[in-house]
Amino acid sequence: GDSVTQMEGPVTLSEEAFLTINCTYTATGYPSLFWYVQYPGEGLQLLLKATKADDKGSNKGFEATYRKETTSFHLEKGSVQVSDSAVYFCALRFQGAQKLVFGQGTRLTINP
Amino acid sequence: DTAVSQTPKYLVTQMGNDKSIKCEQNLGHDTMYWYKQDSKKFLKIMFSYNNKELIINETVPNRFSPKSPDKAHLNLHINSLELGDSAVYFCASSQGIPQETQYFGPGTRLLVL
Repeated sequence: GDSVTQMEGPVTLSEEAFLTINCTYTATGYPSLFWYVQYPGEGLQLLLKATKADDKGSNKGFEATYRKETTSFHLEKGSVQVSDSAVYFCALRFQGAQKLVFGQGTRLTINP
Repeated sequence: DTAVSQTPKYLVTQMGNDKSIKCEQNLGHDTMYWYKQDSKKFLKIMFSYNNKELIINETVPNRFSPKSPDKAHLNLHINSLELGDSAVYFCASSQGIPQETQYFGPGTRLLVL
């Protein structure tokens, strides 16, 4: 079945470090891909998305590129801040479908 | 104004009780969802309603019964609560089929003792 796999957390970095959180998916067809972020005590918020191969989603300094050949959608940020500490979820959804399929989440902690 | 709101925020109850969680969205969306997030942060869809009609019903025990009185509300009633029901329950909404971005509520943390 369709699934999303993220790198195991937790991830701990120092402020201004480079961030990569890996995400790969298994799906029949070409889904839309999403990154959601969950700050402590809050619900999920859409961070960025890409709907077709080679699209790059970006927001708040984060980027992810839809790579069909490697079925990946890795999240990157060049210089993280303490305020980026949160749980990050990769997700997919097929066109015309209602359901989002989430990865297991990656907890990120940024130390000053 | 809160876009997607849930009540209560916290719910502590005994095994065997029946409880409800309410969700309201003021975004004018026509589709609403319930998700369950377990202790390991794994998030999985439970139900989805479009224009008050059930369109997604994952393999959820029939102790869980969603109710959508109108497009802006989707409530979740749980009968005979079990320890394994302890989790954070998130409501979400979106517009259209196919839908665009889902907007999530702040979650309801349920603890069954």
